[in-house]
Amino acid sequence: SQQGEEDPQALSIQEGENATMNCSYKTSINNLQWYRQNSGRGLVHLILIRSNEREKHSGRLRVTLDTSKKSSSLLITASRAADTASYFCATAARGSSNTGKLIFGQGTTLQVKP
Amino acid sequence: IAGITQAPTSQILAAGRRMTLRCTQDMRHNAMYWYRQDLGLGLRLIHYSNTAGTTGKGEVPDGYSVSRANTDDFPLTLASAVPSQTSVYFCASSDSSGQLPDTQYFGPGTRLTVL
Repeated sequence: SQQGEEDPQALSIQEGENATMNCSYKTSINNLQWYRQNSGRGLVHLILIRSNEREKHSGRLRVTLDTSKKSSSLLITASRAADTASYFCATAARGSSNTGKLIFGQGTTLQVKP
Repeated sequence: IAGITQAPTSQILAAGRRMTLRCTQDMRHNAMYWYRQDLGLGLRLIHYSNTAGTTGKGEVPDGYSVSRANTDDFPLTLASAVPSQTSVYFCASSDSSGQLPDTQYFGPGTRLTVL
C-alpha cells in the first residue's frame, strides 16, 4: 500500500504562475521528501523536511508539513517551462523496521506552458 | 564522478528467461535500493540493502532477487521473467547507516519489456 497520496494527479499552468502540489500520508514519519522526475529520467531529490519542522524553503520551492493532518504541500513560485516534470513525495516511516526505506506517492504531473 | 549507472538502458525479454539488471554507484553509499515504476502506481520498493552483505525485502519482492557482495554493486535478478514484470526499474543509493533515511540518488533507469 502506498504511504503517500498526491493531489492533484495533473496540473497545467502558465509560466510565471505558482504551482501547489499536496501529499497526504498514513503513518507517523521521520521525514518527508520531495523528488522531481523529468520524462524518461531518474528521480532527483529536491527538499527534505523533518517531522519537527513546519516549513522549509529552497530557492523557488517552499514545503510545508502538518503532522497533525498527515499532509505536506510543495509550492513552486514563479514557475518556468523547465519546471515541467513529475513531482513525488516520499515518506520515511518512523520505526526500526522501516529504517532506510522511503515510500513514494503516485506523483503529480506538472506542465508549465510558456 | 558518474553517480549511479544502470545497465542495460532497455531490454526486451522473452517470458521465462533469466535477466540481471546491473547497478553500480561510485559514491561509497552504504545503502542501495531497487524500485519499479509503473504508470499510476508510482515507485514501489522491490529490495534494499543497508550495507554490503545484507539485503531486505521491500513492498514487491516476489520474482526478484538481489545480492550485495560489495559496496558499489547491487544487481537485481529476475529468475524467470513474466509479462507483469514489464516496468521501468530504478536503482538508488543513499549515504545512510539505516538508522534514519537520507536523500536518495537515482540511476537513469532500465526499461524492461517481457513478452
